[in-house]
Amino acid sequence: QQQVKQSPQSLIVQKGGISIINCAYENTAFDYFPWYQQFPGKGPALLIAIRPDVSEKKEGRFTISFNKSAKQFSLHIMDSQPGDSATYFCAATPPPGSGAGSYQLTFGKGTKLSVIP
Amino acid sequence: ETGVTQSPTHLIKTRGQQVTLRCSSQSGHNTVSWYQQALGQGPQFIFQYYREEENGRGNFPPRFSGLQFPNYSSELNVNALELDDSALYLCASSLKTSGISTDTQYFGPGTRLTVL
Repeated sequence: QQQVKQSPQSLIVQKGGISIINCAYENTAFDYFPWYQQFPGKGPALLIAIRPDVSEKKEGRFTISFNKSAKQFSLHIMDSQPGDSATYFCAATPPPGSGAGSYQLTFGKGTKLSVIP
Repeated sequence: ETGVTQSPTHLIKTRGQQVTLRCSSQSGHNTVSWYQQALGQGPQFIFQYYREEENGRGNFPPRFSGLQFPNYSSELNVNALELDDSALYLCASSLKTSGISTDTQYFGPGTRLTVL
């Protein structure tokens, strides 16, 4: 059972454009939603994260939008740059101390973003 | 601040062999989680170690085992290797206080295991 569904699988965006990656989750116990960026040959690096008590979080060019009722969240990359070309993963986890599963991140399958000049 | 480090970087084994992968947690972190990332997939949780004990496990068979040492570093051991074990193995560290872990996990660069 895939608990976090991510789309699209790949994305090509022109430099300066907006990149949008979407994720949907099934487990209503999830309450922490990070996004990771992974370059080839490297481990995932935390980009930005959100909790469901807010509908949007912005850090620089990166924004997470969160829709709790729809159980969906998305990453928006404004003014996309060639250096943003990487694979992006959404993830989710239940609250710390909530018992089984509270320690593990459940990841989407990833979106390979290519920003072309 | 020292980040998460893993060794070796790459490893080639044959089916049926055993392998040990190593991880040093980020400075100040006391919890280590291991993930398996198959090619083109998201990381899959294997297990987590806290206070030198397994603190949770994903859907992986018992031939995947681990250790955590007093300095919080950790090992992942895989016995009876199968071809499907070929993957990038990621270690992530985090901080747990009073038994409650923070959400943020920081990943190392991974060990690329190839099973022939």
